[in-house]
Amino acid sequence: EIVLTQSPGTLSLSPGERATLSCRASQSVTSNYLTWYQQKPGQPPRLLIYGASIRATGIPDRFSGSGSGTDFTLTISRLEPEDFAVYYCQRYGYPPPTFGQGTKVEVK
Amino acid sequence: QVHLVQSGAEVKKPGASVKVSCKASGYTFAAYYIHWVRQAPGQGLEWMGVINPSGGSTTYAQKFQGRVTMTRDTSTTTVYMELSSLKSEDTAVYYCAKDRGSAYFFDYWGQGTQVTVSS
Repeated sequence: EIVLTQSPGTLSLSPGERATLSCRASQSVTSNYLTWYQQKPGQPPRLLIYGASIRATGIPDRFSGSGSGTDFTLTISRLEPEDFAVYYCQRYGYPPPTFGQGTKVEVK
Repeated sequence: QVHLVQSGAEVKKPGASVKVSCKASGYTFAAYYIHWVRQAPGQGLEWMGVINPSGGSTTYAQKFQGRVTMTRDTSTTTVYMELSSLKSEDTAVYYCAKDRGSAYFFDYWGQGTQVTVSS
């Protein structure tokens, strides 16, 4: 089973700054089957990115995903107030899908 | 528009069972898998299993094998997740989530159902 490790655990930034979140897999992720979700307190996760770099419907272009193999990155180009949340990566394609432990982006 | 509406919060005693429902609307029910994912307090996301609404076939995470049952009712476009032999560690928010196809990632989520296991 592929283990996903996200770093850092917490990212303290100010609105307008750039956020760079990392997701590292213990083995190569087939066909870049990697997603990113955003979760705010009391809400379900929201799909941001799939296929490592494809934005889901309605996701602003300040969110971008990149990477391949075992190293993936979610970048938020300029943080808006509503972007402060927890972000999870997930490997998909076959069962069991696995999640990273999450990165919290908090206001500095 | 796609909606997944889950049943309300539950409080159960250890050893009991809980059954959570997830009513789907706004898309072709039979065409997309439905998954269940749970989140313990302050913790991350944990996949529990999946049901294919078309034929009712299921795949469960090894951790929950023997304790979880997922079913569906095509007449009401509702999926159910029943978890038995509850322990305090099962206290969590349980989410149903629609697959984008049969890809094992999730484009729409229910609002979540809090299940509390306490004596």
